This record gives sequence, structure tokens and C-alpha cells, in this order.
Amino acid sequence: GNSVTQMEGPVTLSEEAFLTINCTYTATGYPSLFWYVQYPGEGLQLLLKATKADDKGSNKGFEATYRKETTSFHLEKGSVQVSDSAVYFCALNRPPNSGGSNYKLTFGKGTLLTVNP
Amino acid sequence: GAVVSQHPSWVICKSGTSVKIECRSLDFQATTMFWYRQFPKQSLMLMATSNEGSKATYEQGVEKDKFLINHASLTLSTLTVTSAHPEDSSFYICSAPDRGNTIYFGEGSWLTVV
Repeated sequence: GNSVTQMEGPVTLSEEAFLTINCTYTATGYPSLFWYVQYPGEGLQLLLKATKADDKGSNKGFEATYRKETTSFHLEKGSVQVSDSAVYFCALNRPPNSGGSNYKLTFGKGTLLTVNP
Repeated sequence: GAVVSQHPSWVICKSGTSVKIECRSLDFQATTMFWYRQFPKQSLMLMATSNEGSKATYEQGVEKDKFLINHASLTLSTLTVTSAHPEDSSFYICSAPDRGNTIYFGEGSWLTVV
């Protein structure tokens, strides 16, 4: 079945540091890949997505590239801010024509990021 | 952009009572919505798929009679936790895909059963 593995947290960085959160996946076919962010006490917000191999999703300075050859979708940001402190979830959906809804998401366990001033 | 809203954000109920959580798509119609549960420091686990006009489909291990789901309209799904117990205390969150196949999540609902 589908699965998502994220790097274990927590991750603590100083402001303006470079961020990488690793995410690898197992899936049949070509799922879409997502990064969601959950700020304290809030629901999940879509951060970025990529729907096919070699696509790069980007938003708010964050980027992730869909790497089919390494089954990875690592999240990066060149200079983090205190306001980026949150839990980040990598997720995938079922590929089209794989049976069942492709809106069901499989999530990684989440990575807590804390950015200090 | 598209918004999915949940209500209530926080609820405390007594053990043995039932509590209802609403999930609304505010500016798009959603024939399907999804309910997830998140325990502290764990990932989100899909509980069930809510289907407008038909029965919900539940993931393996989720009790249908305990977590009642109703999708009465194209913009509203409700999750009712029946005969709640402390172990049901969790963060419940819904999601809905829009026509562009982007999946949006509600703000989530914290349930505490005392």
C-alpha cells in the first residue's frame, strides 16, 4: 500500500537558516504529492503540491521537487523565519485509475519545526 | 480561495454523551468529504469518506455505529461521536476536494471527553 516517511523531528533552527525536511514515499503509479503545514491550534493548510515527476511546487519561499527516481519530495526553504514554526506534513494521494478515491490522503507523521529568533 | 470550515473548534463533553461536529465547504460544492482523526504527536488517520446522498464508507477498524456521518447537502457533512468516552478525545479534521481537485482542510475540532 501507499506510505509516506518523513524525517523525524523536532527540528530547531535559527532565523535565516536553511531548512530541509526529507520525505520519501512508496506508491504504485504516479500519485500527487503534497506538503501541508499545521500552525499551533489550527487545521492543515496546503503549502505546495506537485502532480507529476520533475514538477516543482513552491509557495511562501518553500520548494519541493517531485523526484520519481528517488521517490522523494523533500521540502526546502532558503531562509526560515520565526513565523514558519509549525508542523509540516508530507502526503500523497492515490494515483488516478488505481481504484478508490484519489482524494484520500496518506500522511507522514509530521515534522515539528521550531525557528528561534 | 476555497474554504472549508468546521464547528465547533473546541468541545468538552461528558462521558456517555454524544457530540456533533460540522464540516462545511463555504464556496464550493463537495460531493465527497473526508474525516480524519489526529492523536497527539501522531499523524492524521483517515476515518471515513462522507458521500453526499449516500452512506459513508469507513476505514478498517473504525466503528460505524460510534462515528455517525451524515452528508445531508453538497456543502455540509457532520460527524457525530456517540456515547463518547475519554479515549475518543482527539483532534478531528475534515477535508474536501474542490472542482480543481485541490484538497482543502477545515480548521479542525478538538474534542475532550471528561
